[in-house]
Amino acid sequence: SAVISQKPSRDICQRGTSLTIQCQVDSQVTMMFWYRQQPGQSLTLIATANQGSEATYESGFVIDKFPISRPNLTFSTLTVSNMSPEDSSIYLCSVEAKQREGYFGPGTRLTVL
Amino acid sequence: AQKVTQAQTEISVVEKEDVTLDCVYETRDTTYYLFWYKQPPSGELVFLIRRNSFDEQNEISGRYSWNFQKSTSSFNFTITASQVVDSAVYFCALSDTGRRALTFGSGTRLQVQP
Repeated sequence: SAVISQKPSRDICQRGTSLTIQCQVDSQVTMMFWYRQQPGQSLTLIATANQGSEATYESGFVIDKFPISRPNLTFSTLTVSNMSPEDSSIYLCSVEAKQREGYFGPGTRLTVL
Repeated sequence: AQKVTQAQTEISVVEKEDVTLDCVYETRDTTYYLFWYKQPPSGELVFLIRRNSFDEQNEISGRYSWNFQKSTSSFNFTITASQVVDSAVYFCALSDTGRRALTFGSGTRLQVQP
């Protein structure tokens, strides 16, 4: 299984600011995914990030709000831009293992005031 | 389009009781993968099991067992002799050839009382 780390683990931010979340994997992976988990809710896919190509966003998520970088096969960043209290969530990165199971990072708990 | 339904929002049992968590899925693909994850209060997502659509054999792992029935599009999860440490939110998820990312159900919160 892949070991995934995320930074920061949590943050409290002011409305209108931006936060960049980092995701580091201990092995090379083709596909990385970013999910959002709003308080008390399930996980919703934000985008799929493949190395060397533009991220693919799900309906309801746009690049201007959630820009993603994928500079190599072990690293990705998600930025939450111009934050509002509605962006308060846990943000998780995930990678796909050989048997299609997803392994998840520990998450970044974001609170926007 | 994919869909995963977990109709049970919350279940409360007393320790040592058996409990079954239901999962019903929808997909148009003939090749797909089903998963169960556990999310304890600490928040991390723990992978429990993966099943592909060609393998309907039920699986048992310790106190955990899974019943996959294509005829009813269900992939149910049973915990035998539940323990307080089983208290968590459990998610069922699906991926198929058209969508590599996971589609999650809404989750079932399991409370095991001592």
